[in-house]
Amino acid sequence: QQQVKQSPQSLIVQKGGISIINCAYENTAFDYFPWYQQFPGKGPALLIAIRPDVSEKKEGRFTISFNKSAKQFSLHIMDSQPGDSATYFCPSSEGSGAGSYQLTFGKGTKLSVIP
Amino acid sequence: GAVVSQHPSWVICKSGTSVKIECRSLDFQATTMFWYRQFPKQSLMLMATSNEGSKATYEQGVEKDKFLINHASLTLSTLTVTSAHPEDSSFYICSARSWAPTQIEAFFGQGTRLTVV
Repeated sequence: QQQVKQSPQSLIVQKGGISIINCAYENTAFDYFPWYQQFPGKGPALLIAIRPDVSEKKEGRFTISFNKSAKQFSLHIMDSQPGDSATYFCPSSEGSGAGSYQLTFGKGTKLSVIP
Repeated sequence: GAVVSQHPSWVICKSGTSVKIECRSLDFQATTMFWYRQFPKQSLMLMATSNEGSKATYEQGVEKDKFLINHASLTLSTLTVTSAHPEDSSFYICSARSWAPTQIEAFFGQGTRLTVV
């Protein structure tokens, strides 16, 4: 059972546009929301993460918006570039104590940024 | 972010042989390491969780006698695919977390492409 539902499955954005990927979760025990970026043939790379005590976090062109009451969070990529073309994941993260958080990955969103 | 190194990046082996994949945390000590498998155009599937100095915990459906995991130190975990068969061909990825209580980020290796012929 998918613990975090991610949409869309694929996304095509023009260069310079804004890419938006959404995730919804049910388990209110989740307290850590990371986004990973994966290029073909590579392992996922941590892009940005947020805790539920803040509503927004920005790092460069990447922003996470978090809506605790709606149990939703989204990744915004501003000024999207062809180099951003990759698969993005918002895995569920649950656990407690040092080192015990376990990530469960969904299908991800394949982003294609076209010139 | 922290660096996790996986070796080899790719390996081709004959059916029936065993292959060992190493996962090292280069600049932090990892109490817990995770092993994933990813088939083409699919998501990452967790195979097992290993804690330093103890036996790995395998996910349902993963054969522990086929996928041997050793986490002998805080910086090294190994996955050995024993008696490999073509259906074991996949992309194997490890992940590591720091032992520090405030560091919950998981960092991934670059993956190992295993092809069994």
